[in-house]
Amino acid sequence: SQQGEEDPQALSIQEGENATMNCSYKTSINNLQWYRQNSGRGLVHLILIRSNEREKHSGRLRVTLDTSKKSSSLLITASRAADTASYFCATDYLWGNNRLAFGKGNQVVVIP
Amino acid sequence: GAVVSQHPSWVICKSGTSVKIECRSLDFQATTMFWYRQFPKQSLMLMATSNEGSKATYEQGVEKDKFLINHASLTLSTLTVTSAHPEDSSFYICSARDGDIQYFGAGTRLSVL
Repeated sequence: SQQGEEDPQALSIQEGENATMNCSYKTSINNLQWYRQNSGRGLVHLILIRSNEREKHSGRLRVTLDTSKKSSSLLITASRAADTASYFCATDYLWGNNRLAFGKGNQVVVIP
Repeated sequence: GAVVSQHPSWVICKSGTSVKIECRSLDFQATTMFWYRQFPKQSLMLMATSNEGSKATYEQGVEKDKFLINHASLTLSTLTVTSAHPEDSSFYICSARDGDIQYFGAGTRLSVL
């Protein structure tokens, strides 16, 4: 089932600004992952945060997870034009047999 | 990270023909692979879980006779769209799990005329 939802769904920012995206989910999870997809391409894995973690960093990415609210956020700092893409959260949910449930996705446009 | 190769990247076919899409894990073995479908500006919809050496597990509403999946080895899964029709036109993406992370192929854009 597709249980993740991101908010907002479209974001347009100037290069150098930060971009924040949110994701909510419905059931208990093992972990939550964020992916990036450039137009017409496959998905690139960005970062994974486990259910017992609250925050994780990777380069210019910062992910938070609030299991009590069943929500996560992805922050991209100092955005670049190359960050223009769609961003999806995906939950590895309990009893999902390793399947991922994807959210609707955020379209981010970084203006040079 | 691990690499998943998907082929072809783009295919055009006539209505009624069958199309086979390959998904390979290049540097790891995958007992389980996944097939997704994506419509323009929408999220990924899981179609089925491909299991090496056994039958695929299809999601509710996905026709198993229309979308044939074969996972003959630990590095290769294939999706065959049988008797394709224009409504089957879509972007198909495969993935394979290595540890906790799913790695995705580049996708196949299918256009049925």
